[in-house]
Amino acid sequence: DGGITQSPKYLFRKEGQNVTLSCEQNLNHDAMYWYRQDPGQGLRLIYYSQIVNDFQKGDIAEGYSVSREKKESFPLTVTSAQKNPTAFYLCASRPGRASSSDTQYFGPGTRLTVL
Amino acid sequence: GQSLEQPSEVTAVEGAIVQINCTYQTSGFYGLSWYQQHDGGAPTFLSYNALDGLEETGRFSSFLSRSDSYGYLLLQELQMKDSASYFCASTGGSYIPTFGRGTSLIVHP
Repeated sequence: DGGITQSPKYLFRKEGQNVTLSCEQNLNHDAMYWYRQDPGQGLRLIYYSQIVNDFQKGDIAEGYSVSREKKESFPLTVTSAQKNPTAFYLCASRPGRASSSDTQYFGPGTRLTVL
Repeated sequence: GQSLEQPSEVTAVEGAIVQINCTYQTSGFYGLSWYQQHDGGAPTFLSYNALDGLEETGRFSSFLSRSDSYGYLLLQELQMKDSASYFCASTGGSYIPTFGRGTSLIVHP
């Protein structure tokens, strides 16, 4: 089955700790995205990557970092510099610029809670 | 820049038809997508319009008017399971989608 996976589903972190959220896809998609969703809110873009070894800041990148060493993987690190990290984090992928489809495929999400 | 406006909440009864509107301001507009998200779940793709007109997929249809920077999602024969949040998302010339804040649809028996 092709798809996009995120782990863990729930994550608890103490203040001052960095934590890394996993995102893996086997859809052979070029583009990958990280979003943050707060209760009752839309999706805000944190980082995106259009191709391996390249990524760009989204609207709310401060306090976050990413890497894209492999096409299949796009991990997100929430650093201690992120002042309000408690949220639902969603990873998504898309075929890429050359595709006529604008569909994004989302992972199941990771709910991060800072204690 | 990009921004999208959609109503925060819509209510309807089972079996009815409901329309969720979305207006957008998007540089280099490419297309408008719609996603459904149930509580605690991930968004799932519903429909996409790149050209003016109506796209129909079963009980769901989506419409786009590029000249009016406006689109809507039409849900027919509403079912209780359609209670969810619905997001419109526009894609501009950078191929980076921007999402609206979402419309919470509440379906009553």
